[in-house]
Amino acid sequence: GAVVSQHPSWVICKSGTSVKIECRSLDFQATTMFWYRQFPKQSLMLMATSNEGSKATYEQGVEKDKFLINHASLTLSTLTVTSAHPEDSSFYICSAQRGEGQFFGPGTRLTVL
Amino acid sequence: QKEVEQNSGPLSVPEGAIASLNCTYSDRVSQSFFWYRQYSGKSPELIMSIYSNGDKEDGRFTAQLNKASQYVSLLIRDSQPSDSATYLCAAPIGGSARQLTFGSGTQLTVLP
Repeated sequence: GAVVSQHPSWVICKSGTSVKIECRSLDFQATTMFWYRQFPKQSLMLMATSNEGSKATYEQGVEKDKFLINHASLTLSTLTVTSAHPEDSSFYICSAQRGEGQFFGPGTRLTVL
Repeated sequence: QKEVEQNSGPLSVPEGAIASLNCTYSDRVSQSFFWYRQYSGKSPELIMSIYSNGDKEDGRFTAQLNKASQYVSLLIRDSQPSDSATYLCAAPIGGSARQLTFGSGTQLTVLP
């Protein structure tokens, strides 16, 4: 149990476009999901906490207008990177809370040209 | 001081040996601790959780927690080359019961 999926697994886009990443909990319901970003050779950095039915909570330094999060159901959270730029290129990973633990999706590798 | 601190390594052990990974944390009220394994280019995978002082064993993995010393460790017995990965320690820091703070990870290489 505790399977989390992400889609797409990778995406390449042009600078200035928007990209939507989906995170789904497949076999459980998750009122809380998290979005992380990881640059090469670095650890996970929490971007925001996504709560079903309410606004996301963003970490300091993360622009909420640039990284739009929607958690409209107990099994789906989406992250939209708006007006993407090359510096947004990274590995984006979601996780879903189940009990005390967090279970991660496989990640989405975003490359902005 | 980092909130969750790990020896970044790299740590190399021969196949069949015991690998010992260490982690210290800054928040005395943290009650739950997690070890994740992350293969290169992949997302983290939860391998152990521990909530009480002492040892918790799961197969070849043993997590050890000492709340008085604010120290948690992971032992991997009979290490295999497939255990080569980065191991991340995580704990809820700062009063949030759900948000986890991750250490920077320890890179482990098991040599055949």
